[in-house]
Amino acid sequence: QVQLQESGPGLVKPSETLSLTCTVSGGSISTYYWSWIRQPAGKGLEWIGRIYSSGSTNYNPSLKSRVTMSVDTSKNQFSLKLTSVTAADTAGYYCARSRSAAGYGGFDYWGQGTLVTVSS
Amino acid sequence: EIVLTQSPGTLSLSPGERATLSCRASQSVSSNYLAWYQQKPGQAPRLLIYGASSRATGIPDRFSGSGSGTDFTLSISRLEPEDFAVYYCQQYGSSPGTFGQGTKVEIK
Repeated sequence: QVQLQESGPGLVKPSETLSLTCTVSGGSISTYYWSWIRQPAGKGLEWIGRIYSSGSTNYNPSLKSRVTMSVDTSKNQFSLKLTSVTAADTAGYYCARSRSAAGYGGFDYWGQGTLVTVSS
Repeated sequence: EIVLTQSPGTLSLSPGERATLSCRASQSVSSNYLAWYQQKPGQAPRLLIYGASSRATGIPDRFSGSGSGTDFTLSISRLEPEDFAVYYCQQYGSSPGTFGQGTKVEIK
């Protein structure tokens, strides 16, 4: 059973960089696409971007200038960095796996989510 | 980007009743690459349907998806107590993938 677990600071100051890591267990990170998705409290879901196990990335244009994703296959982890954060970036952040190796089929495995608050 | 509009915003039904949720896209969804998710408070979304009509692993057959192009529907044939939740549609045929705003199914 594949499991995903987000980790990282729960509080980030405005203008600083949000950094999160997702650790994948119960399966290999290889040959799948891995995404970050966020959800402000009481609101809907926003796809931030995805990374393939090779390191190739696709980002949401609305966040592209501030987002960097990376993958460490030796640790079965992938990471998110979001720069110049503001209060609007306060949200629950989820990591998730695309159901198919080609990157389609929705997201079949999700982490439990981690709340990141942007505040001084 | 493709905008997904879900209706109604809230659906008030009783256990045993049928639920019909709508998801309308601002443009045609490529290859019917549309998914549905269920989310309960404090939990991550759970994949129910992909490819507009294929049930994900372990999903009961009371959940069904249909539609094509710009109009999609999620049906729950007989609501069980555990089905009261928020449901989201998502298109993954065009980048960026986008989600609808959600439909809350609440107990009447």
